[in-house]
Amino acid sequence: NAGVTQTPKFQVLKTGQSMTLQCAQDMNHNSMYWYRQDPGMGLRLIYYSASEGTTDKGEVPNGYNVSRLNKREFSLRLESAAPSQTSVYFCASSDQRGRNEQFFGPGTRLTVL
Amino acid sequence: GDSVTQMEGPVTLSEEAFLTINCTYTATGYPSLFWYVQYPGEGLQLLLKATKADDKGSNKGFEATYRKETTSFHLEKGSVQVSDSAVYFCALNSGGSNYKLTFGKGTLLTVNP
Repeated sequence: NAGVTQTPKFQVLKTGQSMTLQCAQDMNHNSMYWYRQDPGMGLRLIYYSASEGTTDKGEVPNGYNVSRLNKREFSLRLESAAPSQTSVYFCASSDQRGRNEQFFGPGTRLTVL
Repeated sequence: GDSVTQMEGPVTLSEEAFLTINCTYTATGYPSLFWYVQYPGEGLQLLLKATKADDKGSNKGFEATYRKETTSFHLEKGSVQVSDSAVYFCALNSGGSNYKLTFGKGTLLTVNP
């Protein structure tokens, strides 16, 4: 039981490049989330998927797109990376609306030059 | 909207000292409250939670009581260890159709031997 896994762990991009961050969970959770963590800002929600087939914007969705590929997988895409997207990205999942525990992946550290 | 305010760090203590990290919140409805811990280089892990007023969450010697009258959820531990060095996040979910966890900015705790 791996919990929530994320790939890659580290990535360096040049401004304007695109990439997809992958996330998978093996806990049969309905809901999945993407957050970014910046110094002094806590975690901010980018997008979430309440259930398979649905996605919704969070606090800071601009510059990102998501795909809920199936119940297990939820990917985050940066179409044209900008230095302001340098951050640590966390994927999380939960079995119900966030009143229950969210389980977090280990994170992806992204640097955009 | 929902918000969480927690004491700013960093907090530096000696081993076996008493720890308090203050957390207050603003939320609609009746939120669930959480403390998450992030060890260096890792994702967030749930430390404890409380889902209704006067509930006490506890885990690994840490405790926090849901105080509706003061809108607070302060984290305490009677005797900290070096291994407790981490960043601690207070968070809430206000329920209903809201899937989002709202986080405080985090408090860095360093415990010296």
